[in-house]
Amino acid sequence: GESVGLHLPTLSVQEGDNSIINCAYSNSASDYFIWYKQESGKGPQFIIDIRSNMDKRQGQRVTVLLNKTVKHLSLQIAATQPGDSAVYFCADLDSGGSNYKLTFGKGTLLTVNP
Amino acid sequence: DAGITQSPRHKVTETGTPVTLRCHQTENHRYMYWYRQDPGHGLRLIHYSYGVKDTDKGEVSDGYSVSRSKTEDFLLTLESATSSQTSVYFCAISGQGPSGANVLTFGAGSRLTVL
Repeated sequence: GESVGLHLPTLSVQEGDNSIINCAYSNSASDYFIWYKQESGKGPQFIIDIRSNMDKRQGQRVTVLLNKTVKHLSLQIAATQPGDSAVYFCADLDSGGSNYKLTFGKGTLLTVNP
Repeated sequence: DAGITQSPRHKVTETGTPVTLRCHQTENHRYMYWYRQDPGHGLRLIHYSYGVKDTDKGEVSDGYSVSRSKTEDFLLTLESATSSQTSVYFCAISGQGPSGANVLTFGAGSRLTVL
């Protein structure tokens, strides 16, 4: 079956460094990709999304890169801060036709060391 | 959590008892969702609603029922709880993200333990 997954289950970085969280997807029909952040004891929080006709999108300290050739998605966090420590997971959305399908990955735990 | 309130936040119950989780939104959104989150799994859709009294099943709907009598409230019921239903349950509403994607806004979650 088709799924969204993450390459690295854990990532530990030093405060101030840049972080890169990766995600692989398999559904070539997916037309949107979304990153969420989930802090301990809280619900997932939207970070950024990107449409499949784009290869890069920037937000505040975050950049999402999409490589459709290899079905790879990444989230880059600049100048990582302790408050960025959380689980990050991607989701892909296939909104075409009547088979609307949103699939979540399992998540990567980001730990920022002071 | 953007106008979404889940209750109770924590509940411990025994196998075979009924449990109802409540989701209340103040955003007047048409679509509401119930997900469960378990270690080793991504968020999995249980049921969703696309309007008052309009609901449909998700990928893990067995053992769950839902009701939506008002736009603002979406109830998830476990008629007879089992240990496999021990999980964290999230309610969500949907809206359009900056790129046009259907982006979910989640509640804080309800942690259910079935003994």
